[in-house]
Amino acid sequence: AQRVTQPEKLLSVFKGAPVELKCNYSYSGSPELFWYVQYSRQRLQLLLRHISRESIKGFTADLNKGETSFHLKKPFAQEEDSAMYYCALRRQGAQKLVFGQGTRLTINP
Amino acid sequence: KAGVTQTPRYLIKTRGQQVTLSCSPISGHRSVSWYQQTPGQGLQFLFEYFSETQRNKGNFPGRFSGRQFSNSRSEMNVSTLELGDSALYLCASSSLRGSYNEQFFGPGTRLTVL
Repeated sequence: AQRVTQPEKLLSVFKGAPVELKCNYSYSGSPELFWYVQYSRQRLQLLLRHISRESIKGFTADLNKGETSFHLKKPFAQEEDSAMYYCALRRQGAQKLVFGQGTRLTINP
Repeated sequence: KAGVTQTPRYLIKTRGQQVTLSCSPISGHRSVSWYQQTPGQGLQFLFEYFSETQRNKGNFPGRFSGRQFSNSRSEMNVSTLELGDSALYLCASSSLRGSYNEQFFGPGTRLTVL
């Protein structure tokens, strides 16, 4: 079965501190992994995907197949990073996304 | 390019009624997916349409149905509404081209069932 687990519903850090949002998945095969972000009063949007191995807005995420994890990291949090973050997976070639429950990240000034 | 649009944005219905939600994908996108978002269950996949054909369906009862038109616009219908159907319904479109095949989400339709 496909499943995505985000263990933290809420995460609060101070501005300038490092932040890590955890994501673990279960999937029999090689899925595509994503992080989506939803800022206040904005639509859900793609933040980054594992296949591109890019850094967006200072965020990076590394796929660890051994630990079946795809944690999102940023070395220095900014206030504008406050948002809801969703980890998601999908089978290669498919459209159906399986989402985690989301983590609400709050950056304190 | 205009983004994914959904109408109406807000809807209030009573139990037992039916409702139709509409989604207009980004121009040129032929794949449309629907998701239900609730505080308890989070984001759950409803179905996906491509070229007027349903390609995948989530684990929802038959009261939830959809369709896609030749211009790629999609509608979803929920019949015999229940209180638990209150949710934000999101639509996403994709061109299915390129390696990344990104899905773009609409703002959602918030359905309240009284």
